[in-house]
Amino acid sequence: DAKTTQPNSMESNEEEPVHLPCNHSTISGTDYIHWYRQLPSQGPEYVIHGLTSNVNNRMASLAIAEDRKSSTLILHRATLRDAAVYYCILNSGGSNYKLTFGKGTLLTVNP
Amino acid sequence: NAGVTQTPKFRILKIGQSMTLQCAQDMNHNYMYWYRQDPGMGLKLIYYSVGAGITDKGEVPNGYNVSRSTTEDFPLRLELAAPSQTSVYFCASSYGAFNQPQHFGDGTRLSIL
Repeated sequence: DAKTTQPNSMESNEEEPVHLPCNHSTISGTDYIHWYRQLPSQGPEYVIHGLTSNVNNRMASLAIAEDRKSSTLILHRATLRDAAVYYCILNSGGSNYKLTFGKGTLLTVNP
Repeated sequence: NAGVTQTPKFRILKIGQSMTLQCAQDMNHNYMYWYRQDPGMGLKLIYYSVGAGITDKGEVPNGYNVSRSTTEDFPLRLELAAPSQTSVYFCASSYGAFNQPQHFGDGTRLSIL
């Protein structure tokens, strides 16, 4: 599996935008970029995913670099409920059904 | 919609005991998964199923068994509990494979003493 690199932790203030980076320099052409988050004592929650183009949904935006070697998850206005561990995951399917969760980025949101 | 429901939420087992962790989904998803998460770590895939009657091993299948007799249910069986199986277990489901989001349950916290 291609590997992703994320900062261990980040901090933000409530109602400010948050940019969570992810490096994936060995990404292959068929790898989708997925983002999940995990709130304390809960199961992971899907946030967003994309292949090449930037993506937006009600939760966040995903900005993918032109060479696809990095991506950024953007939370437009952080709330206290956004405090969680954020995982950036690559998956190319085929016989590989698993999502490989690394340690992710622990986001702290200050009131 | 209930989504993915896992039972029990907590359980303490003695070494050598057996138990079944239950997982049910009401989204008519074909794909279902079992993961474990050790403290401070990411999730690791134990088993997965691409449809009723079809199961396959993930990264860490040793000490576990699964069955998939219906689309809705995907139970995970521990036959001889060992302390190394102390973990939080998550069940997930998805409509399709790698380009579809996985929906997770809230987990079963299992301690083996």
